[in-house]
Amino acid sequence: EADIYQTPRYLVIGTGKKITLECSQTMGHDKMYWYQQDPGMELHLIHYSYGVNSTEKGDLSSESTVSRIRTEHFPLTLESARPSHTSQYLCASSRQAYNEQFFGPGTRLTVL
Amino acid sequence: RKEVEQDPGPFNVPEGATVAFNCTYSNSASQSFFWYRQDCRKEPKLLMSVYSSGNEDGRFTAQLNRASQYISLLIRDSKLSDSATYLCVVNSEYGNKLVFGAGTILRVKS
Repeated sequence: EADIYQTPRYLVIGTGKKITLECSQTMGHDKMYWYQQDPGMELHLIHYSYGVNSTEKGDLSSESTVSRIRTEHFPLTLESARPSHTSQYLCASSRQAYNEQFFGPGTRLTVL
Repeated sequence: RKEVEQDPGPFNVPEGATVAFNCTYSNSASQSFFWYRQDCRKEPKLLMSVYSSGNEDGRFTAQLNRASQYISLLIRDSKLSDSATYLCVVNSEYGNKLVFGAGTILRVKS
């Protein structure tokens, strides 16, 4: 099993709240990723990082932000949650950009 | 055109059947190819990497056709537990990252 963790697993929150989704991995991977996935739909890359202090926006525009202060930690923040942010957020990591990615269990976010 | 294209299915097959999925990709310079499995409302999990010479893992066989730019996944003796969405993954021609296909749904019925 991959050692990548996400908390919380489920979050129901009201509009306008600030939230941070946590992602940690113990594999020492430099590369980390955030994906957004709606039920029955494809994965969309929203952020990635190739190492400490490196962050890039993905293919899907997102109002969220990320930080990478430590190798093992890649949190995602929404400053003001809206119902349109309701989705599943999946974190992943890999040794190199071309290597297989390992996914965390995901955070299912519902914004009321 | 999408970088990775898959037939969304669903493929409905009886237990014990052999089923094959194809996936086409646009980046002729791609070097990394994978098949992932995703169960409903779960995270994707690596099923197998795809090597140039083709590779087999139990009932699963993956093949790469560089000339036609597609990879395939063959599942023999399908089990009910094989029911899932199968994602084709290739490295992108736009930057240093992987691209996930939209997935092919497989339903194995008794």
